[in-house]
Parts: sequence; structure tokens; C-alpha cells
Amino acid sequence: SAVISQKPSRDICQRGTSLTIQCQVDSQVTMMFWYRQQPGQSLTLIATANQGSEATYESGFVIDKFPISRPNLTFSTLTVSNMSPEDSSIYLCSAQWGTEAFFGQGTRLTVV
Amino acid sequence: AQKVTQAQTEISVVEKEDVTLDCVYETRDTTYYLFWYKQPPSGELVFLIRRNSFDEQNEISGRYSWNFQKSTSSFNFTITASQVVDSAVYFCAFRGAGAQKLVFGQGTRLTINP
Repeated sequence: SAVISQKPSRDICQRGTSLTIQCQVDSQVTMMFWYRQQPGQSLTLIATANQGSEATYESGFVIDKFPISRPNLTFSTLTVSNMSPEDSSIYLCSAQWGTEAFFGQGTRLTVV
Repeated sequence: AQKVTQAQTEISVVEKEDVTLDCVYETRDTTYYLFWYKQPPSGELVFLIRRNSFDEQNEISGRYSWNFQKSTSSFNFTITASQVVDSAVYFCAFRGAGAQKLVFGQGTRLTINP
């Protein structure tokens, strides 16, 4: 398995502000993924982040709202911009090794 | 399109009982992977198992066992002699061989009461 470190682990933010979540992997990976888990719901993929190219966003998610950086093969950030209470969720990053996918511990975001 | 269904939203049992979590998937792919993850109250997603579509052999790991039935498109998860520490939300997930992203079921919240 691999170690994926995500921070912050939780935050409470004011509406209208932005939060950047960091994800660090302990080995190089080609693709990293960002998921959102709204309260009591399943996980939904926000985007796939490849190193050296623009992230690929899933339907319903846009770059202006969720800009992603992928500066190297072990690190990625997700920014939740201009937050509203509807953005309150757990955000998880993930990376794939072979056929296995591993996840960070998640960032529990509450927007007030 | 692929779809994963976990019909059991919540299950509650008494400690030491056996419990089975159901997972049914839909796909036209011939090669694919199935996963189970555990999400304890702390929120992280813990990988439990991955199964390939071409390997229908059931698997046992301690108190955990998995039953993969391609004929019924099911990948069920059984916990034997459940313990309070097994309380969590469990997710079944699917990935096609040519795809990268995981498709998750809705999850089953399992509560083990002492």
C-alpha cells in the first residue's frame, strides 16, 4: 500500500472564502483523483489530475470552482473557491498503484 | 454506464453476529475490478479488497470474506463474529479495465452493538 497525507484534516470556513487542500503521496504516481462526499452520501469524483496537464473535470464540476494543481508526481492541491454552505463535505484525494486505489484521510469542511 | 447498488442503507446487529453486506453491479465490460472500502467515523477510506472479473474465487481474510458471483453480478461481503470496531460505513466500488475512476455504491452503514 501507499501513504497519502492530506491536510488540513478539517476546517470551518466563512462563506465566500476559499480553502486549499493539500495531498502528498509517498511515492510517484501518474494520476491523482479528488472526490467529494456530501453528508450522508457516497463519493463523487470531482476531477482527475495528471502531472503536467490540466485536470479533467467530471460533469457538474468546473475549474473556476475547484481549481486543481499538480506540480509534480507526488503532490496535488484542490481549492474550493467562493464557498457556500452547500460545499460542506468531506474531500478526499486518491492515487492509484496498479489496480489498487488508496485514499487520504480526508478533509472535513464545514462552511458557515 | 456502470452502476453499483448497495441496497442496504443501514444494518444494525449485536456483537458476535455474522453480517453480510450486499453489492450488485451493472456493466457491459468484460474485464473490470471490484473493491470494498471501509469508512470509520474518522472519515478516512480504508482499502479492504480488490477482485478481478476473471477471478471468481472467493476470498477469506480473518473474519472477513467475500463472495463474487459473476452470474448474478454480485460481490457480497460477510463479517463473521462481528465486533464493535467493525462499525463503519462500507462502500462497494467498480472500475472498468480501461477506466481510471472508481464508481461507488451508496454505502451501507453498519452498526455493531455491544
